[in-house]
Amino acid sequence: GEDVEQSLFLSVREGDSSVINCTYTDSSSTYLYWYKQEPGAGLQLLTYIFSNMDMKQDQRLTVLLNKKDKHLSLRIADTQTGDSAIYFCAERNGGGYQKVTFGTGTKLQVIP
Amino acid sequence: GAVVSQHPSWVICKSGTSVKIECRSLDFQATTMFWYRQFPKQSLMLMATSNEGSKATYEQGVEKDKFLINHASLTLSTLTVTSAHPEDSSFYICSARDRGYYEQYFGPGTRLTVT
Repeated sequence: GEDVEQSLFLSVREGDSSVINCTYTDSSSTYLYWYKQEPGAGLQLLTYIFSNMDMKQDQRLTVLLNKKDKHLSLRIADTQTGDSAIYFCAERNGGGYQKVTFGTGTKLQVIP
Repeated sequence: GAVVSQHPSWVICKSGTSVKIECRSLDFQATTMFWYRQFPKQSLMLMATSNEGSKATYEQGVEKDKFLINHASLTLSTLTVTSAHPEDSSFYICSARDRGYYEQYFGPGTRLTVT
């Protein structure tokens, strides 16, 4: 089945850039997403990228996709303390139900 | 933007009782709805996918007789946890998608505690 992996933890200083990485196995992915989850809360969609794109920029967020290596990354420029949260990458497959499989989540800690 | 609500936001129940969680799409027609559960400090695990008017498709390892899913209308899906046990305590999140759209909208989640 589909598998999505992320590193568990990342710590950065306020003002620096954060890069969160994700690898996936499903070669039929159509969309790839980045979600943010704050403690005790639901998921907030941050950004997404079509599988036929290799980069997308949205204000402080830059998504890079290497489809050959099945590697996705999220770069947050000028990281702020409010960015502290768990970040999930997710991939949507091209099968019948087009289900979305989530990564293990990366906890981002921003140090003031 | 599209909004998905869940009710209740949290519930405490006694072991052996059943609990129903509602998921509603407030301003769009949700042709497909998904139910996830999330254990503390873990990722979301898909439990089942349901299309309006048809039976839910459960992921491997999820007991369909224990987790009853009904998607009776284009705006409402319900998850009933039957004969709940403490190990069913978790954060249950639904999401909804309109056919042909890229985005899947998530509800705020329901925290279930079984005592």
